[in-house]
This record gives sequence, C-alpha cells and structure tokens, in this order.
Amino acid sequence: NAGVMQNPRHLVRRRGQEARLRCSPMKGHSHVYWYRQLPEEGLKFMVYLQKENIIDESGMPKERFSAEFPKEGPSILRIQQVVRGDSAAYFCASSRTQETQYFGPGTRLLVL
Amino acid sequence: AQTVTQSQPEMSVQEAETVTLSCTYDTSENNYYLFWYKQPPSRQMILVIRQEAYKQQNATENRFSVNFQKAAKSFSLKISDSQLGDTAMYFCAFIDFGNEKLTFGTGTRLTIIP
Repeated sequence: NAGVMQNPRHLVRRRGQEARLRCSPMKGHSHVYWYRQLPEEGLKFMVYLQKENIIDESGMPKERFSAEFPKEGPSILRIQQVVRGDSAAYFCASSRTQETQYFGPGTRLLVL
Repeated sequence: AQTVTQSQPEMSVQEAETVTLSCTYDTSENNYYLFWYKQPPSRQMILVIRQEAYKQQNATENRFSVNFQKAAKSFSLKISDSQLGDTAMYFCAFIDFGNEKLTFGTGTRLTIIP
C-alpha cells in the first residue's frame, strides 16, 4: 500500500515564478492537508481539503497561495509570484477520517 | 487556541540507554488526540505513536511508550534501548475532535551517541 506521494521532492524557482506542488493521498484517504515547515521550526497548518472542497484554509496566506483537490488527480498547492520567504519544506498529509494523518516526504522549495 | 510546548530543544544519550522527551499542551477541549512524529535527517515525517485522550492506558509501540497525564496536560515520550536510528527531530502534536488541524511543538533534536 503506497504511502502519501509528493512531487517534486525538490523545486528551485526564481523570484516571481510560479511553484506547483503535487500530493497524491494514500489509497482510501479522502482528506488532504498541507503544512509548511520553515527552517528549524515545526510544521504549521496551511489548508485542509476534501475532494473538490476546501474545508479550512485558515493557515494559508491570503495572497499568492491557492490549493485544490479535484475529483480526479492529485491535490495541488500553487504559489504564484514566489518570494524568498516562500522557501520552505511543504508537507502533504492524508487521512481516512479525522484522526491520524500520514505524511508524504515533502517538497523542498528554494526561491533564488 | 491550542498550543504545544516542547521545552527541550536538544538532547543526547548513549546508545542502549533510555531517554524521555517532554511535551505539554494547552486546550479547553476534552476529546482530542496526541501524537509523536519523528523527522530523521531525510526529513520525512514518521508517525511514532498516538494517544486518544479518552483512553487512560498509555500507548506503547515496541520501544516507544508515552506517559499521558491528562490533568497535567502532559504527554512525554519514552524511548527504551535507544538505537542510532533513533537520531532525529521529534515533534509532539495535538488535534482535537471537530478540528482537522494538527498543532505541532517546536521539536526536540535527539542524538544517540555510539
């Protein structure tokens, strides 16, 4: 049973470009969460989605960031016009029901 | 708002010894879950152990066990017979019923010395 898949594992972007991060949840999981980890810090919640719905985006910056989880395909976290402060590790997690969240390997975003 | 506090930024122990990592949390909720996640140098987040607040019995997973003190809002992790592969950052995390967000502590960097 494959775990949570994230790609790419590493992403380098120049300031002003767009970053697209993908997450495929574990089989049978319909809940997807995105977290951000800045260097030397813990993970901070960004957004919680179920298929085709954003349930809670209270941790997402109001501008430049968006997330989706379409009926078919992976969840996408999109960052437009990236800035150096967006450099971080972005983790996706999935769960079957509210309870235990299983994490993917993360995407390390570096903005030059 | 819920908060999770890990007061030990770094710890180190000799291989085969026992080590305890501390975690306290603050919540007004009565039903919730607590977790310990491990983040090795690969930076993958790995679930170590889970505790339901309504269970009085402390959770155990092989060499890992917790001391859950609900009244004190304390949730420590004990690692017995520590191994080199236990070297990692350890994060305590909290989630309450009806809320989908995990709240993480700032982590404890554990080093197992050969």
